[in-house]
Amino acid sequence: QVRLVESGGGVVQPGGSLRLSCATSGFAFSNYAMHWVRQSPGKGLEWVASIRYDGGNKNHAESVKGRFIISRDNAKNTLYLEMSSLRAEDSAVYFCAKVGRIGELIFFDYWGQGTLVTVSS
Amino acid sequence: DIQLTQSPSSLSASVGDRVTITCRASQRISSYLNWYQQKPGKAPKLLIYAASSLQSGVPSRFSGSGSGTDFTLSISSLQPEDFATYYCQQTYNTPMYSFGQGTKLEIK
Repeated sequence: QVRLVESGGGVVQPGGSLRLSCATSGFAFSNYAMHWVRQSPGKGLEWVASIRYDGGNKNHAESVKGRFIISRDNAKNTLYLEMSSLRAEDSAVYFCAKVGRIGELIFFDYWGQGTLVTVSS
Repeated sequence: DIQLTQSPSSLSASVGDRVTITCRASQRISSYLNWYQQKPGKAPKLLIYAASSLQSGVPSRFSGSGSGTDFTLSISSLQPEDFATYYCQQTYNTPMYSFGQGTKLEIK
């Protein structure tokens, strides 16, 4: 079955860096776009970044542009989020999500369980 | 950017009630609208895609409707497991797929 497992979260000081990973299995990873979505404590969902199936066409939310970089390794079936210059407002649970597609219709059909990032001194 | 506004932000209802949640987009998005359910400490779960298509495995008491700017998620007869937070998501503005702020459905 499809599995997405995030790792790499933890406590980091403001200005610090962290690399999140999302290990996947159960589907042809290299055929699907992938996304990162975050959720601050007690808040709603915020789209963070996306990457095309082949690693091209990367997009980042304005709130993280220039500080976060999404990437993937199709040989390892793994998605990454490199985070730098972290701020308190980046504290959140970070989810990776697989894109499902029917023609032009896009949705997130599978999600990981999330990894918690806490930015604090 | 496309903004999605859900109403109400919270809702109290009883088991067996019919409830409706609304999502309004800041511009026309055709039917590029999905609905997710999230329970505390869990990942979101896809319920409805393309405004009205039921995801495989989701109970038929869930339904979605709408097109353009106004969309609704309805639950025909609330079950105890349905008490959760619900989010709409637009996938019109590729690939910045924004979410509504959420509607928390609580037991009355």
